[in-house]
Amino acid sequence: LAKTTQPISMDSYEGQEVNITCSHNNIATNDYITWYQQFPSQGPRFIIQGYKTKVTNEVASLFIPADRKSSTLSLPRVSLSDTAVYYCLVGYSLMNYGGSQGNLIFGKGTKLSVKP
Amino acid sequence: DGGITQSPKYLFRKEGQNVTLSCEQNLNHDAMYWYRQDPGQGLRLIYYSQIVNDFQKGDIAEGYSVSREKKESFPLTVTSAQKNPTAFYLCASSSGQMSTDTQYFGPGTRLTVL
Repeated sequence: LAKTTQPISMDSYEGQEVNITCSHNNIATNDYITWYQQFPSQGPRFIIQGYKTKVTNEVASLFIPADRKSSTLSLPRVSLSDTAVYYCLVGYSLMNYGGSQGNLIFGKGTKLSVKP
Repeated sequence: DGGITQSPKYLFRKEGQNVTLSCEQNLNHDAMYWYRQDPGQGLRLIYYSQIVNDFQKGDIAEGYSVSREKKESFPLTVTSAQKNPTAFYLCASSSGQMSTDTQYFGPGTRLTVL
């Protein structure tokens, strides 16, 4: 079961690029890396997913080194509305077939605070 | 609009009462999930269902029950056996069970036990 470690909190200012790193030393060959964003009193929403190298979409970029033991979510030019909790999830399936625990676990995430 | 709805948004319950939280999705997803979130904490899985008429316990199923009679609906009952039910409850769904299948979350129900 891949376990992730990410900073509890980060501060930034509007217009800056923010990089949030997630460590997952026990990542398995078939595991994907997925990031979710959660605003207060709302459900999380999908941001980006990757397996290796770099993935970019309209919201963020995800950098994954060759050994895949870590990943970095990059948010370009953040605004106040990017203040949220960001979760890094690592796994192959949402649920262990025949088991009671899922591979994808939402930890405490990283609370990003963007200041004016 | 496609999505997941949860009702009610806020729910108050007296100790010793059972209460049912509603979750409906029109995304035609097979898999549905219930999570619990406490202040400053991550999400913890209560129950999940991969298909109609089938569901499995998650990490913290004690004191909760679910049913999956229809593909679109996955109600959660918080029973009087749940010792500390005050929390934020989130329902989610996905088309499949692989990590490449995005989970879509509802707006949540905040339950307070008086």
